[in-house]
Amino acid sequence: QSVLTQPPSVSGAPGQRVTISCTGSSSNIGASFHVHWYQQLPGTAPKLLIYDSFNRPSGVPDRFSGSKSGTSASLAISGLQGEDEADYYCQSYDSSLSDVVFGGGTKLTVL
Amino acid sequence: QVHLLESGGGVVQPGRSLRLSCAASGFTFSSFTMYWVRQAPGKGLEWVAVISHDGSNKYQADSVKGRFTISRDNSKNTVYLQMNSLRAEDTAIYYCARFSMPDMSFDYWGQGTLVTVSA
Repeated sequence: QSVLTQPPSVSGAPGQRVTISCTGSSSNIGASFHVHWYQQLPGTAPKLLIYDSFNRPSGVPDRFSGSKSGTSASLAISGLQGEDEADYYCQSYDSSLSDVVFGGGTKLTVL
Repeated sequence: QVHLLESGGGVVQPGRSLRLSCAASGFTFSSFTMYWVRQAPGKGLEWVAVISHDGSNKYQADSVKGRFTISRDNSKNTVYLQMNSLRAEDTAIYYCARFSMPDMSFDYWGQGTLVTVSA
């Protein structure tokens, strides 16, 4: 059971907008630790997609955006493309565990 | 550009040992904390071990404590993971990842090396 909770799967048609939630607690997201998102394309290593809850590394399209409120964070993907089909993970830091923590991952299917 | 290259994976019998290496390039290796993160088949990400920039602080996840040891050689820009008393549940792809402070994200990952523990 992951410290951060994500839906196992989401789906959307090309061109649509989808969101992936990441729910934590008062010792991680709610304690103002940043949330980071990773994209893992099939058969590849994870790649940093969003850092510090909102920011995109260079090269990441602005179709990807992050938000945070209270003990939750969200990743939004607009203008869905087939190449977005991947697993997405959120990550933060937990002060009670003194460890980094990951969400269980969400599989995005582009219909 | 930043590059992390893992090696040392393979098939090993339960109870045996294996040492993974991660060679880094493209950045000042001695300035960064490094992690090993693993992913069991069809499962999510799990951090395994972490080592501070100078090697003075090391921590392992409870699932591998007492069996796995992380180390680094800053003169060789390499981080290692010594895995002893391997179990079937240690079967996974092992990634090394650079830890970015102060935001505490993993900004670069290697391509991973597969460890299979099987009789």
